Amino acid sequence: EEQLVESGGGLVQPGGSLRLSCSAPRFTLRSTAIHWVRQAPGKGLEYVSAISSNGAGTYYADSVKGRFIISRDDSKDTVFLQMSSLTTEDTAVYYCVKESKLILDAFDIWGQGTMVAVSS
Amino acid sequence: DIQMTQSPSSLSASVGDRLTITCRASQIINTHLNWYQQKPGKVPKLLIYGASILNSGVPSRFSGSGSGTDFTLTISSLQPEDFATYYCQQSYSTSWTFGQGTKVEIK
Repeated sequence: EEQLVESGGGLVQPGGSLRLSCSAPRFTLRSTAIHWVRQAPGKGLEYVSAISSNGAGTYYADSVKGRFIISRDDSKDTVFLQMSSLTTEDTAVYYCVKESKLILDAFDIWGQGTMVAVSS
Repeated sequence: DIQMTQSPSSLSASVGDRLTITCRASQIINTHLNWYQQKPGKVPKLLIYGASILNSGVPSRFSGSGSGTDFTLTISSLQPEDFATYYCQQSYSTSWTFGQGTKVEIK
């Protein structure tokens, strides 16, 4: 079964930084676009960021633009989300998500999520 | 960015009911519309893509329709396992926006 695994979440103070990682134990991420979606406690899904399959294209929601950087390391077959200048508004579960061209770019595989809590 | 608006935000229904959730995009997105189901404490699951194409393994009581700006998700006969929150999402533009969700609760 294909799955994504996130890591790197935790408790951080306002203004701090964290780096999230996304990998796939049973398939390669190299040929696919990867996205990050977050969900604040008790709230809905919020789109965060994307990176194209070759890493040349990136996208950021306005709420994180200038503070978050998405990247990929094909040698490690891992996608990263570097988060800085964190605020309490960034507290959420962060999901790594795979897009599939086979299903018209819908998100077919979601990781279990990693919790990011921003608090003093 | 494209805004996605779902209605209602929540509803109460009984097992066996037919229910419809609507999703409206702020601009034309053709049929680049996806529906996801999320149960409490669980990861979202793709139900429908391309506005009307059922994802593999999804029961046939789920169906989707629409194009342009107006879309619907229909459950023909609600089952106990269908009580969840449903989200629409556009994949037409690179903002990949989600609707705010529709929570389906047991009446």
